Amino acid sequence: EDKVVQSPLSLVVHEGDTVTLNCSYEVTNFRSLLWYKQEKKAPTFLFMLTSSGIEKKSGRLSSILDKKELSSILNITATQTGDSAIYLCAGAGGSGTYKYIFGTGTRLKVLA
Amino acid sequence: DAGVTQSPTHLIKTRGQQVTLRCSPKSGHDTVSWYQQALGQGPQFIFQYYEEEERQRGNFPDRFSGHQFPNYSSELNVNALLLGDSALYLCASSAVYNSPLHFGNGTRLTVT
Repeated sequence: EDKVVQSPLSLVVHEGDTVTLNCSYEVTNFRSLLWYKQEKKAPTFLFMLTSSGIEKKSGRLSSILDKKELSSILNITATQTGDSAIYLCAGAGGSGTYKYIFGTGTRLKVLA
Repeated sequence: DAGVTQSPTHLIKTRGQQVTLRCSPKSGHDTVSWYQQALGQGPQFIFQYYEEEERQRGNFPDRFSGHQFPNYSSELNVNALLLGDSALYLCASSAVYNSPLHFGNGTRLTVT
């Protein structure tokens, strides 16, 4: 059965720290991995990764996919209190499947 | 540009009752997916609608049904509600295959 596992489950850091969130996946005919940030209700899209080894960056956030290790990491540098949220990782399968398989998320709390 | 909108935001129902949740996709999107997010869990795929047809279904019982209208909006119906149906129901829309999902703020359903 397809699954996505995230670690750690929760994390508490201080402003200015750098954090690394992990995501491992077992998805049949894997085609892409996505990261979302969920603060209150709607998950908001961060990154979509399809190629191994190519880093995607957006401000202080970056992410990379390792297809050999079936994993991805999300890095946040110089964390701010506004980064406090649940970070969700989702895997998408191959042709003929349209569902995204989500992990349980990493709950990040950034203290001032 | 309106994003994904869902209604209602909150709903309280009694066991055995039926509920209908509504979703309007982001402008330009023609595909709607529904996810159930229980407390402390990641979103779980219920089904996806495209061209007014259910294109794929997750591991949910037949009590969960849906519909997509010609204007791409969608409804999720749940019959014979159980306590375990209490969750945040998220609607997500997308434009083309293998594109990121855009989520609405969800409907918080509480079954008592």
